[in-house]
Amino acid sequence: GNSVTQMEGPVTLSEEAFLTINCTYTATGYPSLFWYVQYPGEGLQLLLKATKADDKGSNKGFEATYRKETTSFHLEKGSVQVSDSAVYFCALSGGDDKIIFGKGTRLHILP
Amino acid sequence: NAGVMQNPRHLVRRRGQEARLRCSPMKGHSHVYWYRQLPEEGLKFMVYLQKENIIDESGMPKERFSAEFPKEGPSILRIQQVVRGDSAAYFCASSLTTGQLVEQFFGPGTRLTVL
Repeated sequence: GNSVTQMEGPVTLSEEAFLTINCTYTATGYPSLFWYVQYPGEGLQLLLKATKADDKGSNKGFEATYRKETTSFHLEKGSVQVSDSAVYFCALSGGDDKIIFGKGTRLHILP
Repeated sequence: NAGVMQNPRHLVRRRGQEARLRCSPMKGHSHVYWYRQLPEEGLKFMVYLQKENIIDESGMPKERFSAEFPKEGPSILRIQQVVRGDSAAYFCASSLTTGQLVEQFFGPGTRLTVL
């Protein structure tokens, strides 16, 4: 079945550091891929998405490229801020109703 | 346009009691999804409903759990005779239509604690 694997946290970085959170997936067909962010005490917000191979999703300085050859969708940001501290979820939608989530990566940014 | 609303935000129940979780989708959305997040885990799909119909309940435990989305009013996730293992955050999402390209909008969640 479809699944998502993402790097375990927590990840701790200093402000202005470069961020990468790895995500790989297993799916039949051509899924859509997503990154969601969950701030403390809140629900999930869609951060960015890509719907086909080689698409790049971007938002708020975050980017991720849909790589079909490596079945990956790594999240990157060139310079993180304290306000980026949150839990980040990689996810996919494979054509049915449900979204399949990774376990989440907790990110701490130190001032 | 108000987002997805869930209440209560926090719910405490003793073992054996019933828990009722409510979800009001975004205005105009007729597709509702329930997900469960166990501690330190990702969200797991439970059930997908349209108005008055359960479309996919493949993620719902076979016993004690039920969901409905009546013609009028919020969607309800009901857990009967709760056990400690039911302690989790329960998230509702809604969408305007359905399909893998359609964004699901998530509510803030209900955190259920079973004593």
